[in-house]
Amino acid sequence: NAGVMQNPRHLVRRRGQEARLRCSPMKGHSHVYWYRQLPEEGLKFMVYLQKENIIDESGMPKERFSAEFPKEGPSILRIQQVVRGDSAAYFCASSVLQGGGSYNEQFFGPGTRLTVL
Amino acid sequence: KQEVTQIPAALSVPEGENLVLNCSFTDSAIYNLQWFRQDPGKGLTSLLLIQSSQREQTSGRLNASLDKSSGRSTLYIAASQPGDSATYLCAVRLQGAQKLVFGQGTRLTINP
Repeated sequence: NAGVMQNPRHLVRRRGQEARLRCSPMKGHSHVYWYRQLPEEGLKFMVYLQKENIIDESGMPKERFSAEFPKEGPSILRIQQVVRGDSAAYFCASSVLQGGGSYNEQFFGPGTRLTVL
Repeated sequence: KQEVTQIPAALSVPEGENLVLNCSFTDSAIYNLQWFRQDPGKGLTSLLLIQSSQREQTSGRLNASLDKSSGRSTLYIAASQPGDSATYLCAVRLQGAQKLVFGQGTRLTINP
């Protein structure tokens, strides 16, 4: 059973370009979470999604950032018109459907390291 | 607003020592608490998860305790090894919420 997969692992963009980060949850997981780790800072929650629904986006910047988790395919975190301050490691986590008897433990992917030149 | 603090920020000890990492949180209404390990440039590996109704969890040389009323958790590492060198992160999940709130981490170095 493969773990949470993220790609690309490293992404370099110039200011003003768009960045698309992908996350494939663990098999059987229907909840996806995105976190951001800025240099020398802790991880901060960005958004929580279920299939085709955004449940909690309280940590998302108001502009330029969006996320989706379509019925088919991976979850996408999209950053438009990137700026140098967007340089960070972006981690995706997934968990099982609530009520399944588990403790909803979140399992993390290896992250995508975004560098904005 | 939940805040999570980890002390110390960095710790360096000789191999073989037992050590304790500390985590404190401001809101005791938590659903669970997780300890993670993060190696440089890598993702997070979950070490232990403690439910709010539990007092401790053990896995091998690791033991995590939880005192919800005082807002504290400790991670005890026995007989430390150089391979234990990493950043250790504490994260809490509030009741009624799905997101994790992380501490800044403790960067641990075990010297051979």
